[in-house]
Amino acid sequence: AQRVTQPEKLLSVFKGAPVELKCNYSYSGSPELFWYVQYSRQRLQLLLRHISRESIKGFTADLNKGETSFHLKKPFAQEEDSAMYYCALSGLGGSYIPTFGRGTSLIVHP
Amino acid sequence: DTGVSQNPRHKITKRGQNVTFRCDPISEHNRLYWYRQTLGQGPEFLTYFQNEAQLEKSRLLSDRFSAERPKGSFSTLEIQRTEQGDSAMYLCASSLGDRVSYEQYFGPGTRLTVT
Repeated sequence: AQRVTQPEKLLSVFKGAPVELKCNYSYSGSPELFWYVQYSRQRLQLLLRHISRESIKGFTADLNKGETSFHLKKPFAQEEDSAMYYCALSGLGGSYIPTFGRGTSLIVHP
Repeated sequence: DTGVSQNPRHKITKRGQNVTFRCDPISEHNRLYWYRQTLGQGPEFLTYFQNEAQLEKSRLLSDRFSAERPKGSFSTLEIQRTEQGDSAMYLCASSLGDRVSYEQYFGPGTRLTVT
């Protein structure tokens, strides 16, 4: 069974501080990992996915298969980063059922 | 607005009643997903369609739930004999392509309250 764990329900930092939102997964095949973000009063939207290896809004995430992790990082948090962040997993070439973590609420204080 | 739309946005119903939600995906998207989200949880997969074919259905999905996508365009999700535990946000998403790795675009959701 595939599972996504986001251990922190809430992460509170000050503007300019580094941010790391943790995501661990369990999947027996080749995973594809995503981070989705939901800003206040907006719909859920894709932030980034591991295949693209992009930096979006200063965020990066590296897939670590050894540690089965896909942590989201940003070196200097901004107030506009405050949102709910969801880590999600799908199986490449196998199960297409996406599994989401419970989400981490990031609050960036001025 | 060319994004995914869902109607109604809010629905309040009494226990035991049937409800139906509609999702209009982005027009060229061939995949359509339904999720349920309760407070403090991430979206939970319910079912998905590739064109008009329903390819996967969650084992957690009660027989009271049924979804259709008759012409491969819009989709409906019906809940029969609603229960208080059905109260949740119901999300629809669409994507383009044969691989799930293509980005999913989410609708605003339908919030269901069962009294």
